[in-house]
Amino acid sequence: KAGVTQTPRYLIKTRGQQVTLSCSPISGHRSVSWYQQTPGQGLQFLFEYFSETQRNKGNFPGRFSGRQFSNSRSEMNVSTLELGDSALYLCASSLDRLAALSKPGANVLTFGAGSRLTVL
Amino acid sequence: GQQLNQSPQSMFIQEGEDVSMNCTSSSIFNTWLWYKQDPGEGPVLLIALYKAGELTSNGRLTAQFGITRKDSFLNISASIPSDVGIYFCAGQSYSGAGSYQLTFGKGTKLSVIP
Repeated sequence: KAGVTQTPRYLIKTRGQQVTLSCSPISGHRSVSWYQQTPGQGLQFLFEYFSETQRNKGNFPGRFSGRQFSNSRSEMNVSTLELGDSALYLCASSLDRLAALSKPGANVLTFGAGSRLTVL
Repeated sequence: GQQLNQSPQSMFIQEGEDVSMNCTSSSIFNTWLWYKQDPGEGPVLLIALYKAGELTSNGRLTAQFGITRKDSFLNISASIPSDVGIYFCAGQSYSGAGSYQLTFGKGTKLSVIP
């Protein structure tokens, strides 16, 4: 069973540019959530998509956006890049929504290896 | 926003020693999760805790959900070199208006000296 696949693994952009990152969830998983990981702030929740709709959102500016397709694949976009956007961006997939994480059972959150973005 | 205070930030231990790390918060969480992240990889789930007071083991790992629902600890017994990595706690909570979020601790970097 293939895991969560993120592309690209590494990319370099300059300030002001935009970037799109892709996440293919585990087959059958309908929820995809995105996280930013930096040395200073650690892992921070960006947003969650389920059935092509954004269900939950963290405290990030509107420059960070995402979408989910009918096959559950998701993309996140960051516009007008800033130096502080340099980070490892992780996506995670699960069978059900983040809300269902509190129910014991099969709704395990599985992470991809991440996309490392460097903004120069 | 909610914060999880994870400690210690880093630790160096001898192979064979036991390890203990914990996460505390002023907020209540519905679920506690413990992850391990190796360099260049995403976090991998170690243990999930679903109710206050729950104690769960996974091999040499044991974790507990605090009875106040505001803390959790992870113990590793008889550490081995492959235990090296960064351990994260995460808490799931209701943030209002039908929304949920996942909050992570800053991580505990574990180094094991053979």
